[in-house]
Amino acid sequence: GENVEQHPSTLSVQEGDSAVIKCTYSDSASNYFPWYKQELGKRPQLIIDIRSNVGEKKDQRIAVTLNKTAKHFSLHITETQPEDSAVYFCAASRYAGGTSYGKLTFGQGTILTVHP
Amino acid sequence: NAGVTQTPKFRILKIGQSMTLQCTQDMNHNYMYWYRQDPGMGLKLIYYSVGAGITDKGEVPNGYNVSRSTTEDFPLRLELAAPSQTSVYFCASSRGTGIGNEQFFGPGTRLTVL
Repeated sequence: GENVEQHPSTLSVQEGDSAVIKCTYSDSASNYFPWYKQELGKRPQLIIDIRSNVGEKKDQRIAVTLNKTAKHFSLHITETQPEDSAVYFCAASRYAGGTSYGKLTFGQGTILTVHP
Repeated sequence: NAGVTQTPKFRILKIGQSMTLQCTQDMNHNYMYWYRQDPGMGLKLIYYSVGAGITDKGEVPNGYNVSRSTTEDFPLRLELAAPSQTSVYFCASSRGTGIGNEQFFGPGTRLTVL
């Protein structure tokens, strides 16, 4: 089955700096890569996702890049703010139309702390 | 819309007891999922369902059972609770899979087995 490794486990930055979180996956057939943000005591929420036919996707201060050959993808947060402090999870799944059921394999999570 | 709701929010069980975690969604989603989240770890899939009457095992199904008699409800049953089942349990639902089919999570149930 799929295995997703996420690094670093903790990341501390100053407000305004950029933050980068990296994930690697093992199943070359995986083709859908979402990122979730989980604030303390709250539920995970999707912040951005990408399919394998796209190399990069941006949404305001957040971007995700994907390298299919190396089987890794990264989350980039620019101009970080204290409210970006949370646990971030990457995930991977193999979506093949009707033959896959969207089963996500999650990374272990990264605790991001943004200091004012 | 209430989205995905879960009950109870917290529960303490004794070893060997049983309980059912409730999950309901009002978005008419076909796909529903149960995850567990252990401290400092990511989410692991326990069971999932692609529609009423259809369920399948995920990565860590041992010690759990599910049923899906309606589109809205997807209860998770714990039989003979063990300390290893102490965790936070999240239910999620989605319309479909892949891009444009975000999994929406419930608020979670924090379970402690003593």
